[in-house]
Amino acid sequence: GDSVTQMEGPVTLSEEAFLTINCTYTATGYPSLFWYVQYPGEGLQLLLKATKADDKGSNKGFEATYRKETTSFHLEKGSVQVSDSAVYFCALGLYSSASKIIFGSGTRLSIRP
Amino acid sequence: EAQVTQNPRYLITVTGKKLTVTCSQNMNHEYMSWYRQDPGLGLRQIYYSMNVEVTDKGDVPEGYKVSRKEKRNFPLILESPSPNQTSLYFCASSSGLRATNEKLFFGSGTQLSVL
Repeated sequence: GDSVTQMEGPVTLSEEAFLTINCTYTATGYPSLFWYVQYPGEGLQLLLKATKADDKGSNKGFEATYRKETTSFHLEKGSVQVSDSAVYFCALGLYSSASKIIFGSGTRLSIRP
Repeated sequence: EAQVTQNPRYLITVTGKKLTVTCSQNMNHEYMSWYRQDPGLGLRQIYYSMNVEVTDKGDVPEGYKVSRKEKRNFPLILESPSPNQTSLYFCASSSGLRATNEKLFFGSGTQLSVL
């Protein structure tokens, strides 16, 4: 079935380190791909998205490229800040007979000053 | 301000006592959905609605009911809550029927504890 797999956390980095959070998916058809971020005590908010193969989504210094050949959508940032500490969710969206949005299990990121 | 409003934010109840978690959006969105968030499992969809009077089961609908009588409201009903429904619940909405291409707007969450 359709699914999203992302790297388990927690991930702990020092400020200004390079970040990669891996995400791979399994889907029939051509899904849209998303990264959502959840700050402590809040709901999820969209960080970036890509709707077709080779698209690159970017926002707030984060980037992810839709790789159809490897069914991946890895999240990267060149220099993380303490304020990036949050839980990150990879998700895919499918539309056939119904709208279906499937989330990964989330990766907790902690940044040390 | 565009927002999804859930109430209450925190709720403690006992097994079997019916409860309703309300969700309202002010963006005229057609698509609305309920999720539960559990450690290690991420977000799992409970029910969703693509328009007024149109609702469908998600991945974990057992023990829950929903209704969509008006476009802006999508309440989640637990007729007889059980301890395994203790979780963090989120309501979300999106514009258009092709919600899978569109951004989801989330409420702030409802932390439910069933004793």
